[in-house]
Amino acid sequence: DVKVTQSSRYLVKRTGEKVFLECVQDMDHENMFWYRQDPGLGLRLIYFSYDVKMKEKGDIPEGYSVSREKKERFSLILESASTNQTSMYLCASSPGDTDTQYFGPGTRLTVL
Amino acid sequence: DQQVKQNSPSLSVQEGRISILNCDYTNSMFDYFLWYKKYPAEGPTFLISISSIKDKNEDGRFTVFLNKSAKHLSLHIVPSQPGDSAVYFCAAGEYGNKLVFGAGTILRVKS
Repeated sequence: DVKVTQSSRYLVKRTGEKVFLECVQDMDHENMFWYRQDPGLGLRLIYFSYDVKMKEKGDIPEGYSVSREKKERFSLILESASTNQTSMYLCASSPGDTDTQYFGPGTRLTVL
Repeated sequence: DQQVKQNSPSLSVQEGRISILNCDYTNSMFDYFLWYKKYPAEGPTFLISISSIKDKNEDGRFTVFLNKSAKHLSLHIVPSQPGDSAVYFCAAGEYGNKLVFGAGTILRVKS
C-alpha cells in the first residue's frame, strides 16, 4: 500500500511565523504535490514537484515555497504565516507513469 | 475560471438506494478523470477512474460514466450504505499533467 505521511495533524501558529509542513512518501514516486482544501473551493494546487530539486508553481503559490532535496520528502514552507493561510493542507504523490495521486492525512493549520 | 464543477454541494440518499454524483468540465483536452472520497480529518482516498477512451468503468458498487460530448461525468453508488457518507471530489487532467479538482459534494446516506 502507498503510504504518504505528514508531520503534523494539527498545527497552531501565530501571524508572521515561518511554518514548515513536511510530507514523506514511501513508494518511490516521482511526483509530489501540495494542496490546500477550503470549504466550497475544493482542492487547490499550491506547488508540485516531478523530480528531486525540481518544482513547479500550481494555481495559488503566493505566500508559499517548497523544497524537495530527497525523492521521498516534499516540504511546504509558509515564509510569514497569515490568517488567510488557515486551512487544511494535503500532500499527495503519484508515480511517473500514472496520474492517480495518493494523499496523506492532511494537516489542519490555524494561524492566529 | 473553474474547469471542473460539482454543482451540487450536498446530496442526501436513503440507504439501499442509488447515489448519483455529477461533475462537469470545460477543458476538452482532459483525458483522465478520477473520483476521490474524503472523510473528515482524513486525506482523500482514490475511488475510481476512467480514461477518455471509455464511457463506463465499474468497480463493485461504484460505476463512473463519462459523456465526452457533454463534458460530463457521474459516479453511481449502488446500493448506497451509511459508510459511503463522505465528501466526494471529482478530478480531471491531461495525462502527464496536474489534476484539477472540483469543489466536492457532501453525500449523506441515511439509514
